[in-house]
Amino acid sequence: QSALTQPASVSGSPGQSITISCTGTSSDVGGYNYVSWYQQHPGKAPKLMIYEVSNRPSGVSDRFSGSKSGSTASLTISRLQAEDEADYYCSSYTTSNPWVFGGGTKLTVL
Amino acid sequence: EVQLVESGGGLVKPGGSLRLSCAASGITFTNAWMSWVRQAPGKGLEWVGRIRSKTDGGTTDYAAPVKGRFTISRDDSKNTLYLQMNSLKIEDTAVYYCTTLHTIFAVVISLDYWGQGTLVTVSS
Repeated sequence: QSALTQPASVSGSPGQSITISCTGTSSDVGGYNYVSWYQQHPGKAPKLMIYEVSNRPSGVSDRFSGSKSGSTASLTISRLQAEDEADYYCSSYTTSNPWVFGGGTKLTVL
Repeated sequence: EVQLVESGGGLVKPGGSLRLSCAASGITFTNAWMSWVRQAPGKGLEWVGRIRSKTDGGTTDYAAPVKGRFTISRDDSKNTLYLQMNSLKIEDTAVYYCTTLHTIFAVVISLDYWGQGTLVTVSS
């Protein structure tokens, strides 16, 4: 099962908005609304930020939002803050395995 | 508060075995679907396998790279998840995380809670 495709890195300045894409196929992202996003700071465990494409767990800032168009899901972080600097992973249900992860995106806050 | 605490990692030689444990609290473990996810040094996340709750059959699924070598089990009386790893290879070197699974009609929606991870190093 190939990983979902994410850009290796994105960057933005404090206060700006950035978007991270996650591209799959009709067998995963495009076929189901079961996309989730995880934030991972260096040396820490991943943390769930978005589930079912656009839902935020309790306690996650509303600066984080998710969307999907066709086989590409997106995570948008608005009003960027220094603490948002981390790696971000998308994940999706897939017909061939319980789920599949994206390759990860490193967000740098300039 | 949900807590998942992994233990059992360490250095092992190629071909060796290791058993990881994950002690859970703050959740109704009996009803929980659980998984193991690993992350090789400097790499991304990779699912290892999952186990359903006993009420949903208690069955397991594994990723292709570990199928036949790794076994996931659970002891609901101890709120503990296990990962038995046999015939270890150098490429199994990674931090291993246990996670809870949020499922709807047996479909994995998200990996809601993660432990802090335990490092397994396979080297001669």
